[in-house]
Formats: sequence, structure tokens, C-alpha cells
Amino acid sequence: QVQLVESGGGVVQPGRSLRLSCAASGFTFSRYAMHWVRQGPGKGLGWVALIWYDGSNKYYADSVKGRFTISRDNSKNTLYLQMNSLTADDTAVYYCAREAYSSGYYFFDYWGQGTLVTVSS
Amino acid sequence: SSELTQDPAVSVALGQTVRITCQGDSLRRYYASWYQQKPGQAPILVIYGTQNRPSGIPDRFSGSSSGNTASLTITGAQAEDEADYYCNSRDSSNSRDYSGNHRVFGGGTKLTVL
Repeated sequence: QVQLVESGGGVVQPGRSLRLSCAASGFTFSRYAMHWVRQGPGKGLGWVALIWYDGSNKYYADSVKGRFTISRDNSKNTLYLQMNSLTADDTAVYYCAREAYSSGYYFFDYWGQGTLVTVSS
Repeated sequence: SSELTQDPAVSVALGQTVRITCQGDSLRRYYASWYQQKPGQAPILVIYGTQNRPSGIPDRFSGSSSGNTASLTITGAQAEDEADYYCNSRDSSNSRDYSGNHRVFGGGTKLTVL
């Protein structure tokens, strides 16, 4: 069965960096685009970044562009999110999500359980 | 970037029908998907391609779209349907990407089943 397991969250001081990982299993990871989505405390879902199946293209929300980097290692079935220059506004649960494509439809068909990032001094 | 607008909260009597709406310019061009999220849990997909239901999702969930508005309808709401619901679509309004590679979520609708 498809599993996505995030890790790497924790408490970090403003201005510091953190790297999240998402370990994928149960499917051919290298065939799927992957996303990061976050949810601040008591807030809604916010799209963060997308990486194509082969890592050739990456896209970011304006709020994180230039600070966050999405990457993947298809040999390790792992997705990453390098987060730099963190601020309190980045405090959130971070989810990785698999993108499905079917008949012209794009959607997130599987999600991880999320990892909490808290930016605080 | 584009926005998707949802009513913050909606309530429905047990067994009745409720419609949750999502408005935004991106919906004129791209299909909507809908996600259900219960407290402390990850979101799950309930509708994709505006009106398609993944396997395992009860048939009381349905979707539709008209113009810039997508709708999620629950016919015969059950207590277990009480949750937050989010719409999502591709977004081509970003000045750096007109190909729709960005994504946008609605603000979410909290559904209460009375």
C-alpha cells in the first residue's frame, strides 16, 4: 500500500534552517510528481512546492520562493524540503502529497501524516 | 496568485443535504478537487476532476461545477462527515508560471452535522 512518511520537523530558531524528508513506499516513486503542503496552527491548507517526477522542474509558492528548496532522490524513494531563513510564519504541519494525473485531472491522491515545524526563539 | 473562496462554516441536519462551494477564477480553466480533513488527521481526497469519486468514498459525496464555482454536495449527511473541507485547483495566475504548475487551496469550510 502507498505510504508517505515525513520526518525532520522540530523546534528551530528564527533565521535558521531545517530539512524535511518524506519517505515513500508502495509505489514507483520515480513516476510521480510530488508536493509539499503546509498547515499553520488553526489555519487552512497552503500549497508550498511541486517537483516533477524526474526532478527536472520545481515550482514554489511566492511565500517560500528563494528560501525553500524542494528536491528528490529517486534512488532512495525520498522527497526533501530544505527550509532556510525560517520565520514564525513558517510554523506549520508540513505534509508531503503524491500528485495523481488521470484523464487531464491533477489531484493529491495520497498524503503523509505530516511533520510539525515550530519556529520560535 | 489566484484565490479560491469558501464559506468558513456550514451546518446540516443529520440525514439532510448540504452543498459546499468554492469560487475562483482558476476554476474557469482547471478542474477542482476536494479534500476532507478531520481534527489531527491528514487530508483525504473525496472528489477529483470536479465530479469524480475515488474508490472507497461513499456515493453520498458528489461534485459539480459552473463557471467559476465548484461545489461539493453531501446527500444524506452522516455524523462522520463532520470535518473541514478544502477545494484545490491548478493556478496559472502566478507571473512566473502561466502553465498551471502552481496549486491553490480554498480557505476551507468547517462542516457541522447537527
